[in-house]
Amino acid sequence: AQSVAQPEDQVNVAEGNPLTVKCTYSVSGNPYLFWYVQYPNRGLQFLLKYITGDNLVKGSYGFEAEFNKSQTSFHLKKPSALVSDSALYFCAVRDGGDDMRFGAGTRLTVKP
Amino acid sequence: DSGVTQTPKHLITATGQRVTLRCSPRSGDLSVYWYQQSLDQGLQFLIQYYNGEERAKGNILERFSAQQFPDLHSELNLSSLELGDSALYFCASSPGQGRLSGELFFGEGSRLTVL
Repeated sequence: AQSVAQPEDQVNVAEGNPLTVKCTYSVSGNPYLFWYVQYPNRGLQFLLKYITGDNLVKGSYGFEAEFNKSQTSFHLKKPSALVSDSALYFCAVRDGGDDMRFGAGTRLTVKP
Repeated sequence: DSGVTQTPKHLITATGQRVTLRCSPRSGDLSVYWYQQSLDQGLQFLIQYYNGEERAKGNILERFSAQQFPDLHSELNLSSLELGDSALYFCASSPGQGRLSGELFFGEGSRLTVL
Protein backbone atom coordinates (compact mmCIF):
# COMPACT_ATOMS: atom_id res chain seq x y z
CA ALA A 1 0.00 0.00 0.00
CA GLN A 2 1.11 3.52 -0.68
CA SER A 3 2.30 5.78 2.12
CA VAL A 4 4.04 9.07 2.72
CA ALA A 5 6.22 10.26 5.56
CA GLN A 6 6.79 13.78 6.74
CA PRO A 7 9.86 13.55 8.96
CA GLU A 8 9.45 16.95 10.61
CA ASP A 9 6.55 17.77 12.91
CA GLN A 10 7.54 21.41 12.97
CA VAL A 11 9.48 23.76 10.70
CA ASN A 12 10.38 27.27 11.75
CA VAL A 13 11.71 29.88 9.34
CA ALA A 14 12.15 33.63 9.35
CA GLU A 15 10.09 35.75 7.00
CA GLY A 16 11.88 36.30 3.72
CA ASN A 17 13.98 33.16 4.04
CA PRO A 18 13.48 30.10 1.84
CA LEU A 19 11.45 27.26 3.27
CA THR A 20 11.42 23.52 2.71
CA VAL A 21 8.89 21.02 4.02
CA LYS A 22 10.01 17.46 3.50
CA CYS A 23 8.06 14.46 2.24
CA THR A 24 9.12 10.96 1.25
CA TYR A 25 6.87 8.37 -0.31
CA SER A 26 6.54 4.65 -0.72
CA VAL A 27 4.52 3.19 -3.58
CA SER A 28 4.45 0.04 -5.66
CA GLY A 29 3.76 1.78 -8.95
CA ASN A 30 4.02 5.26 -10.36
CA PRO A 31 3.20 7.86 -7.75
CA TYR A 32 0.75 10.69 -7.95
CA LEU A 33 1.91 13.15 -5.30
CA PHE A 34 0.08 16.09 -3.77
CA TRP A 35 0.59 18.89 -1.28
CA TYR A 36 -2.21 20.43 0.73
CA VAL A 37 -2.32 23.26 3.27
CA GLN A 38 -4.65 23.57 6.24
CA TYR A 39 -5.28 26.83 8.04
CA PRO A 40 -6.78 26.79 11.56
CA ASN A 41 -10.36 25.53 11.69
CA ARG A 42 -10.48 25.08 7.91
CA GLY A 43 -10.48 22.21 5.47
CA LEU A 44 -7.47 21.18 3.43
CA GLN A 45 -6.67 23.26 0.36
CA PHE A 46 -4.87 21.88 -2.65
CA LEU A 47 -1.47 23.48 -3.42
CA LEU A 48 0.11 21.43 -6.18
CA LYS A 49 0.60 17.96 -7.60
CA TYR A 50 3.07 15.82 -9.48
CA ILE A 51 1.70 13.43 -12.08
CA THR A 52 4.43 13.08 -14.67
CA GLY A 53 6.89 15.18 -16.62
CA ASP A 54 8.97 18.01 -15.21
CA ASN A 55 10.32 17.19 -11.77
CA LEU A 56 9.77 20.76 -10.57
CA VAL A 57 6.10 21.49 -10.07
CA LYS A 58 4.76 24.98 -9.47
CA GLY A 59 1.61 25.59 -7.50
CA SER A 60 -0.49 28.13 -5.66
CA TYR A 61 0.79 31.03 -3.54
CA GLY A 62 4.35 30.80 -4.90
CA PHE A 63 4.94 27.24 -3.69
CA GLU A 64 6.78 24.65 -5.71
CA ALA A 65 7.81 21.05 -5.14
CA GLU A 66 10.61 18.93 -6.46
CA PHE A 67 10.01 15.29 -7.34
CA ASN A 68 13.06 13.08 -6.89
CA LYS A 69 12.49 9.49 -7.96
CA SER A 70 15.83 8.14 -6.79
CA GLN A 71 15.32 9.55 -3.31
CA THR A 72 11.55 8.91 -3.35
CA SER A 73 11.00 12.46 -2.16
CA PHE A 74 8.63 15.29 -2.95
CA HIS A 75 9.74 18.29 -0.91
CA LEU A 76 7.69 21.47 -0.81
CA LYS A 77 9.60 24.72 -1.26
CA LYS A 78 9.15 28.44 -1.40
CA PRO A 79 11.94 30.93 -2.17
CA SER A 80 10.75 33.59 0.29
CA ALA A 81 8.45 32.74 3.20
CA LEU A 82 5.62 34.96 4.39
CA VAL A 83 4.11 35.11 7.86
CA SER A 84 0.80 34.21 6.22
CA ASP A 85 2.32 30.89 5.06
CA SER A 86 2.16 29.68 8.66
CA ALA A 87 -0.13 26.65 8.59
CA LEU A 88 -0.24 22.85 8.63
CA TYR A 89 1.07 21.20 5.46
CA PHE A 90 0.21 17.71 4.29
CA CYS A 91 1.84 15.55 1.67
CA ALA A 92 -0.35 12.89 0.03
CA VAL A 93 0.03 10.03 -2.44
CA ARG A 94 -1.93 7.79 -4.77
CA ASP A 95 -0.37 4.94 -6.75
CA GLY A 96 -3.18 3.34 -8.62
CA GLY A 97 -5.85 3.01 -6.03
CA ASP A 98 -8.62 5.52 -5.64
CA ASP A 99 -7.81 6.32 -2.05
CA MET A 100 -5.39 9.07 -1.16
CA ARG A 101 -3.09 8.64 1.83
CA PHE A 102 -1.78 11.58 3.78
CA GLY A 103 1.31 12.16 5.86
CA ALA A 104 1.11 13.19 9.49
CA GLY A 105 1.49 16.84 8.62
CA THR A 106 4.17 19.46 9.25
CA ARG A 107 3.42 22.65 11.09
CA LEU A 108 5.17 25.58 9.44
CA THR A 109 5.74 28.72 11.49
CA VAL A 110 7.11 31.79 9.77
CA LYS A 111 8.36 34.42 12.19
CA PRO A 112 8.48 38.12 11.32
CA ASP B 1 -15.09 27.69 -1.15
CA SER B 2 -14.36 24.13 -2.31
CA GLY B 3 -17.97 23.34 -3.15
CA VAL B 4 -18.08 20.47 -0.64
CA THR B 5 -20.61 20.98 2.14
CA GLN B 6 -20.49 19.25 5.49
CA THR B 7 -23.06 19.37 8.27
CA PRO B 8 -23.11 19.84 11.17
CA LYS B 9 -20.02 21.98 11.69
CA HIS B 10 -19.92 21.21 15.39
CA LEU B 11 -21.47 18.40 17.40
CA ILE B 12 -21.26 17.64 21.10
CA THR B 13 -22.59 14.36 22.40
CA ALA B 14 -22.11 11.81 25.14
CA THR B 15 -20.35 8.47 25.21
CA GLY B 16 -22.45 5.61 23.93
CA GLN B 17 -24.48 7.80 21.62
CA ARG B 18 -24.80 7.68 17.84
CA VAL B 19 -24.34 10.55 15.39
CA THR B 20 -24.62 11.05 11.65
CA LEU B 21 -22.38 13.37 9.66
CA ARG B 22 -23.50 14.51 6.26
CA CYS B 23 -21.55 15.49 3.15
CA SER B 24 -22.64 16.96 -0.16
CA PRO B 25 -19.90 16.67 -2.80
CA ARG B 26 -19.05 19.20 -5.47
CA SER B 27 -21.49 19.28 -8.32
CA GLY B 28 -20.59 16.50 -10.74
CA ASP B 29 -18.17 14.68 -8.45
CA LEU B 30 -18.93 10.99 -8.11
CA SER B 31 -16.37 10.03 -5.46
CA VAL B 32 -16.67 10.86 -1.79
CA TYR B 33 -13.96 10.26 0.79
CA TRP B 34 -14.11 10.39 4.58
CA TYR B 35 -11.14 11.24 6.77
CA GLN B 36 -10.67 11.55 10.50
CA GLN B 37 -8.26 14.14 11.88
CA SER B 38 -7.30 13.84 15.50
CA LEU B 39 -4.50 15.57 17.37
CA ASP B 40 -2.34 12.54 17.83
CA GLN B 41 -3.00 10.62 14.62
CA GLY B 42 -2.99 13.12 11.80
CA LEU B 43 -5.33 12.60 8.88
CA GLN B 44 -6.62 9.04 8.71
CA PHE B 45 -8.41 7.70 5.66
CA LEU B 46 -11.67 6.02 6.61
CA ILE B 47 -13.59 5.06 3.50
CA GLN B 48 -14.32 6.01 -0.10
CA TYR B 49 -17.44 5.69 -2.23
CA TYR B 50 -17.83 6.01 -5.95
CA ASN B 51 -21.28 6.50 -7.43
CA GLY B 52 -22.94 4.74 -4.53
CA GLU B 53 -20.52 1.85 -4.17
CA GLU B 54 -17.77 1.37 -1.61
CA ARG B 55 -14.39 1.49 -3.40
CA ALA B 56 -11.73 1.64 -0.72
CA LYS B 57 -11.60 1.12 3.00
CA GLY B 58 -9.03 2.43 5.43
CA ASN B 59 -8.83 2.48 9.18
CA ILE B 60 -12.54 2.60 9.79
CA LEU B 61 -13.82 1.08 13.02
CA GLU B 62 -16.65 -1.46 12.98
CA ARG B 63 -18.70 1.02 15.03
CA PHE B 64 -18.55 3.39 12.07
CA SER B 65 -20.38 3.00 8.79
CA ALA B 66 -21.00 5.11 5.74
CA GLN B 67 -23.05 5.17 2.60
CA GLN B 68 -23.48 7.21 -0.53
CA PHE B 69 -26.98 7.86 -1.74
CA PRO B 70 -28.34 8.08 -5.32
CA ASP B 71 -28.13 11.88 -5.21
CA LEU B 72 -24.42 11.35 -4.36
CA HIS B 73 -24.49 12.85 -0.91
CA SER B 74 -22.87 10.72 1.75
CA GLU B 75 -23.39 10.07 5.42
CA LEU B 76 -20.94 8.81 8.02
CA ASN B 77 -22.57 7.09 10.97
CA LEU B 78 -20.67 6.82 14.23
CA SER B 79 -22.17 4.66 16.97
CA SER B 80 -21.35 3.61 20.53
CA LEU B 81 -19.23 6.72 20.72
CA GLU B 82 -16.13 6.80 22.88
CA LEU B 83 -14.07 9.71 24.15
CA GLY B 84 -11.38 8.82 21.63
CA ASP B 85 -13.76 9.41 18.74
CA SER B 86 -13.56 13.13 19.37
CA ALA B 87 -12.01 14.51 16.21
CA LEU B 88 -12.51 16.56 13.10
CA TYR B 89 -14.17 14.52 10.36
CA PHE B 90 -13.56 15.62 6.81
CA CYS B 91 -15.37 14.77 3.65
CA ALA B 92 -13.68 15.24 0.29
CA SER B 93 -14.85 14.71 -3.26
CA SER B 94 -13.32 14.20 -6.68
CA PRO B 95 -14.61 13.56 -10.17
CA GLY B 96 -14.22 9.83 -9.74
CA GLN B 97 -12.69 6.57 -10.65
CA GLY B 98 -9.95 6.58 -13.24
CA ARG B 99 -9.02 10.15 -12.49
CA LEU B 100 -6.11 9.30 -10.24
CA SER B 101 -4.28 12.48 -11.17
CA GLY B 102 -7.08 14.56 -9.75
CA GLU B 103 -6.87 16.30 -6.43
CA LEU B 104 -9.48 16.00 -3.72
CA PHE B 105 -11.66 18.90 -2.69
CA PHE B 106 -12.27 19.10 1.05
CA GLY B 107 -15.16 20.36 3.07
CA GLU B 108 -14.66 22.46 6.17
CA GLY B 109 -15.14 19.46 8.44
CA SER B 110 -17.44 18.40 11.25
CA ARG B 111 -15.96 18.73 14.71
CA LEU B 112 -17.21 16.00 16.99
CA THR B 113 -16.76 16.26 20.74
CA VAL B 114 -17.67 13.24 22.86
CA LEU B 115 -18.07 13.98 26.57
